[in-house]
Amino acid sequence: QVQLVESGGGLVKPGGSLRLSCAASGFTFSDYYMSWIRQAPGKGLEWVSYISSSGSTIYYADSVKGRFTISRDNAKNSLYLQMNSLRAEDTAVYYCARGGGTTLDPWGQGTLVTVSS
Amino acid sequence: DIQMTQSPSALSASVGDRVTITCRASQSIGSWLAWYQQNPGKAPKLLIYKASSLESGVPSRFSGSGSGTEFTLTISSLQPDDFGRYYCQQYNDYPWTFGQGTRVE
Repeated sequence: QVQLVESGGGLVKPGGSLRLSCAASGFTFSDYYMSWIRQAPGKGLEWVSYISSSGSTIYYADSVKGRFTISRDNAKNSLYLQMNSLRAEDTAVYYCARGGGTTLDPWGQGTLVTVSS
Repeated sequence: DIQMTQSPSALSASVGDRVTITCRASQSIGSWLAWYQQNPGKAPKLLIYKASSLESGVPSRFSGSGSGTEFTLTISSLQPDDFGRYYCQQYNDYPWTFGQGTRVE
């Protein structure tokens, strides 16, 4: 079955960096756009970034543009999010999801990123 | 950016009740709207896409309607698994944006 498993979250100091990974299985990863979405504690959903199936097209939310970089390795069925210059407001559960051109389905279970000194 | 506004923010309902949630877009998005369900501690799950199309495997008690700027999610007979939070999302234009969520309790 289709499965997405995020990893790489943790506690990081303001200004620090973190790299999230999302391992995909159960579908032809290279055929699909992929996205990252985040959810601050007790808050709603915020779309962060998407990458096309080949990696040639990428979009970012303004809140992360210039600090975050999305990438993918189709040979490894993996999606990544490099997060630099992290701020307290980046604290959230980060989900990867299949999709980017239309809807988001399915979603992984999420990985928590906490930015705090 | 397209703003999505859901109402109500929360509602109290009982098993068997008919529940309706509204989502309004700040500009026309055609039918490019999805609805997601999020149960506590879980990832969101796609229920409805293109405003009114039921995702495979989703019970038929869920339905969506609307186009342009006003949309509705209806649960015809609330079941115990349906308590949680619901989000609308527009995918007409980037950045994709979500409503603030409606808690069904």
